[in-house]
Amino acid sequence: IAGITQAPTSQILAAGRRMTLRCTQDMRHNAMYWYRQDLGLGLRLIHYSNTAGTTGKGEVPDGYSVSRANTDDFPLTLASAVPSQTSVYFCASSAGWGNEQFFGPGTRLTVL
Amino acid sequence: AQSVSQHNHHVILSEAASLELGCNYSYGGTVNLFWYVQYPGQHLQLLLKYFSGDPLVKGIKGFEAEFIKSKFSFNLRKPSVQWSDTAEYFCAVNAYAGNTGKLIFGQGTTLQVKP
Repeated sequence: IAGITQAPTSQILAAGRRMTLRCTQDMRHNAMYWYRQDLGLGLRLIHYSNTAGTTGKGEVPDGYSVSRANTDDFPLTLASAVPSQTSVYFCASSAGWGNEQFFGPGTRLTVL
Repeated sequence: AQSVSQHNHHVILSEAASLELGCNYSYGGTVNLFWYVQYPGQHLQLLLKYFSGDPLVKGIKGFEAEFIKSKFSFNLRKPSVQWSDTAEYFCAVNAYAGNTGKLIFGQGTTLQVKP
């Protein structure tokens, strides 16, 4: 059982380019989340999805979009990357509201 | 707005020293509480969690935490740290009312254990 996989592991991106970070879970969890981790700021929620077909905004949603076409996949898209989006991005999932979240290995993104 | 505060940003200890990391949250209702650990270069892993019942919870690797409702605190403890405990530790809170399952994380505490 892989749990949560994320791709790519790392990426260097030119400003203005479009980028999609992939996240797949094999635990059949209803809820999925995207966080960014920045030094001194901890983890901040970007977007979430409580179930397939629904999404919601977190603390820092601007510049990002998500979709949840099925239970397993939750891609995060940067429509036009900016340097302030340089960060480590973690995808997570949970069985339901209030349950512990399981995290993927992360994607290190650098926007130049 | 709900918030989580971790008072110690960077802690340096020698092996066998005792550890206590503070965590306070701002929410008056029912909460679920978590401590996660992130070892260098790895993703977050759950150390322990509190949902209800005994306010003293035990987690993996000898860690424990005590929920004190009156103080809105959930401090993490370990009697004797090891070099392998060097990591970043995050406290997180999930509040019930009007919440959609989001965790609110503290800023994190970096623990460095010297051999």
